[in-house]
Amino acid sequence: GQSLEQPSEVTAVEGAIVQINCTYQTSGFYGLSWYQQHDGGAPTFLSYNALDGLEETGRFSSFLSRSDSYGYLLLQELQMKDSASYFCAVRFPILTGGGNKLTFGTGTQLKVEL
Amino acid sequence: SAVISQKPSRDICQRGTSLTIQCQVDSQVTMMFWYRQQPGQSLTLIATANQGSEATYESGFVIDKFPISRPNLTFSTLTVSNMSPEDSSIYLCSISGRADGELFFGEGSRLTVL
Repeated sequence: GQSLEQPSEVTAVEGAIVQINCTYQTSGFYGLSWYQQHDGGAPTFLSYNALDGLEETGRFSSFLSRSDSYGYLLLQELQMKDSASYFCAVRFPILTGGGNKLTFGTGTQLKVEL
Repeated sequence: SAVISQKPSRDICQRGTSLTIQCQVDSQVTMMFWYRQQPGQSLTLIATANQGSEATYESGFVIDKFPISRPNLTFSTLTVSNMSPEDSSIYLCSISGRADGELFFGEGSRLTVL
């Protein structure tokens, strides 16, 4: 089966840098995505790594290493509004019609403190 | 981005009853995806719904329990049948975005089964 493991909770202070890890036991996937979900809200897309290496999008960066079955989301200059749950997800191909079929990780609740 | 509207946003249901959740998208899409998110948990894909064909269900989900309709390219319904308290969850409708690994989600339908 497919499994993506994340730490259940991470706490950091405002202005700091935090890394949320995602380790997986799956193969044959196209890439790794990251999503943010605030309490009571819908998940929103943050980033996607198709290839190994680092992708940077503003304060957020995401990394993938297929050889290590590992990825992470790096959040810099943390703000209180970054307090949310973060999910990694692997993208699998859909044989007909294309599109993104995603399997989500266990999720990490990030708490940003003053 | 896309606008995805789900109804109802929340409901309280009695054990043994069924409830149909509607998902309306503001653009035509080939595939729609239905996810379940149990309290404090990750997102689990229930099924993929293509217009004009039977939905494809993931392991652990069956059509008798979660019948899905996809009458056109902008609309889908998910029915949760013969509900039990274990079905208390948020049910989310989603579509693929333009970017690889990107999904747009509706705001979700929060069901509580008593």
